[in-house]
Amino acid sequence: DTEVTQTPKHLVMGMTNKKSLKCEQHMGHRAMYWYKQKAKKPPELMFVYSYEKLSINESVPSRFSPECPNSSLLNLHLHALQPEDSALYLCASSQEGAGAAKNIQYFGAGTRLSVL
Amino acid sequence: SQQGEEDPQALSIQEGENATMNCSYKTSINNLQWYRQNSGRGLVHLILIRSNEREKHSGRLRVTLDTSKKSSSLLITASRAADTASYFCATEGGSNYKLTFGKGTLLTVNP
Repeated sequence: DTEVTQTPKHLVMGMTNKKSLKCEQHMGHRAMYWYKQKAKKPPELMFVYSYEKLSINESVPSRFSPECPNSSLLNLHLHALQPEDSALYLCASSQEGAGAAKNIQYFGAGTRLSVL
Repeated sequence: SQQGEEDPQALSIQEGENATMNCSYKTSINNLQWYRQNSGRGLVHLILIRSNEREKHSGRLRVTLDTSKKSSSLLITASRAADTASYFCATEGGSNYKLTFGKGTLLTVNP
């Protein structure tokens, strides 16, 4: 099973809402990632979890709050978002990040988020 | 900062033709990867080439790496309409876990 599952596929929220994006993988990967992707742009790294600990935070605003409840699950909690946060949010996982083929990342299909 | 820069930004070819995309980067790398993304979907890993390798093949894909010029190319031979997608190079440098993606090439293969 080389699948990363993201839910929901689409999400529309107001600026005062609180919502969560979910990501799940069962490949035994120990690194998990959140990316943000705007139209016609490359993915931008937001967060990396390694062995369930936050390893990288790319100076993401606090209205985005990641959580890694266990090695298979990754959540992204959203609160008080702005319209410019509308984007495709991608989750990915990899075996580990130590400079080898093990850093090949497997991506989910993404959550298309619209903030009104 | 963006590490990889793909060239061209967009490429339109006929089915059966070959497609070549180029990627340049600025700093030293451990490896370079190519990913494909169909419209509005997740990225799919295609191939990885290590910094000590010069060429690698996988099916209809051929990747070259020239570390002296800090550049890589992806060749797709005998293209198909299903190859229509955006293609991104991604470099892995000194920082574990972090891939830096290039701006991408949008390939359109016309039937």
